[in-house]
Amino acid sequence: EPEVTQTPSHQVTQMGQEVILRCVPISNHLYFYWYRQILGQKVEFLVSFYNNEISEKSEIFDDQFSVERPDGSNFTLKIRSTKLEDSAMYFCASNFEEGNQPQHFGDGTRLSIL
Amino acid sequence: GESVGLHLPTLSVQEGDNSIINCAYSNSASDYFIWYKQESGKGPQFIIDIRSNMDKRQGQRVTVLLNKTVKHLSLQIAATQPGDSAVYFCAENTGFQKLVFGTGTRLLVSP
Repeated sequence: EPEVTQTPSHQVTQMGQEVILRCVPISNHLYFYWYRQILGQKVEFLVSFYNNEISEKSEIFDDQFSVERPDGSNFTLKIRSTKLEDSAMYFCASNFEEGNQPQHFGDGTRLSIL
Repeated sequence: GESVGLHLPTLSVQEGDNSIINCAYSNSASDYFIWYKQESGKGPQFIIDIRSNMDKRQGQRVTVLLNKTVKHLSLQIAATQPGDSAVYFCAENTGFQKLVFGTGTRLLVSP
């Protein structure tokens, strides 16, 4: 069964440094998402992306965050200047159509900011 | 504002029992609901979904019930197995491609 894959599984970064989290969505999917989950809390929406542009973003997704689909297979989340509170699990998801179709998630990248 | 919440943070059952996990939602505009299972160290795994024009949907050993009158969603797992032990999240989609997740219920299955 096709899967969403994310790399790295764990990223440790110094506060203030830039970090790029990588995702390979399911190959025929057209809609891409990033979510985060702070330890012990619920999964929170960050951003959705379609046709090479952001469709919607949450208030968490401020100017420090950006997303990019640099080629036909990868989807990345960049945090320019990381803060301690950015420490969380970051999940990438994708689906084929918008609306009433389930989003399929990767296993996440654990981001630890020191 | 939007919120999706769960009544029971932990549910403990015996192997072979039926499990019922509940979820309340507050956004009456939500038209699509999904149940996800999350095992330790893994991402949310799709279990079953239901559209707002339905009140029941069945899968393999799982059933989702939707009561729009009281804005309540439940997941029923038949003949619960140890492999069902995980955290279960409900999520709602208001139609803007943004899933709003509940806080999660931990299901513990004892042999």
